[in-house]
Amino acid sequence: KAGVTQTPRYLIKTRGQQVTLSCSPISGHRSVSWYQQTPGQGLQFLFEYFSETQRNKGNFPGRFSGRQFSNSRSEMNVSTLELGDSALYLCASSSRQGANYGYTFGSGTRLTVV
Amino acid sequence: QKEVEQNSGPLSVPEGAIASLNCTYSDRGSQSFFWYRQYSGKSPELIMFIYSNGDKEDGRFTAQLNKASQYVSLLIRDSQPSDSATYLCAGGVWDYKLSFGAGTTVTVRA
Repeated sequence: KAGVTQTPRYLIKTRGQQVTLSCSPISGHRSVSWYQQTPGQGLQFLFEYFSETQRNKGNFPGRFSGRQFSNSRSEMNVSTLELGDSALYLCASSSRQGANYGYTFGSGTRLTVV
Repeated sequence: QKEVEQNSGPLSVPEGAIASLNCTYSDRGSQSFFWYRQYSGKSPELIMFIYSNGDKEDGRFTAQLNKASQYVSLLIRDSQPSDSATYLCAGGVWDYKLSFGAGTTVTVRA
């Protein structure tokens, strides 16, 4: 059974640009959550999508957005990149909505903003 | 106040010893609790989950939950060098997000 697939693995972007990250959950999983991980702040929740609808949202500015497609694949977009957006972005897949059963994480996308 | 707090460590234990990791949470509505292991440069990997008060054992790992004290712990028995990693405690309210602690870095000395 394939795990959670995130692409790309690494990205280098310039301040002010925008970026799109992709996540394919485990087959059959309908929930995709996104987290930002930095050394200073740890893992911070961005948002969760379940059945193509955003169900929960963290405390991030509107520059961070996402969507989910009918095949459960999800994308996250960050516009007008800032240096502070440099982080590991993790996608987490779950069979049910929310925290109930825990997550399976993908390998992450390491974003560096210069 | 952070939703989930972990004893920050780092924690260094000799091979074969017991590593004890602790975590407290602030939201009394939290119902599900998880321990993730994260090796350097890798993504978190789920190792234990617990929903009910008491102990839950899985191999060399034991998770303990005390909802009255809002306390979760993880014991790693017979620690091995391969257990050297950062351990993340997470708690969640049903149908809502998981909140993670900052993590405790464990080093097992051979």
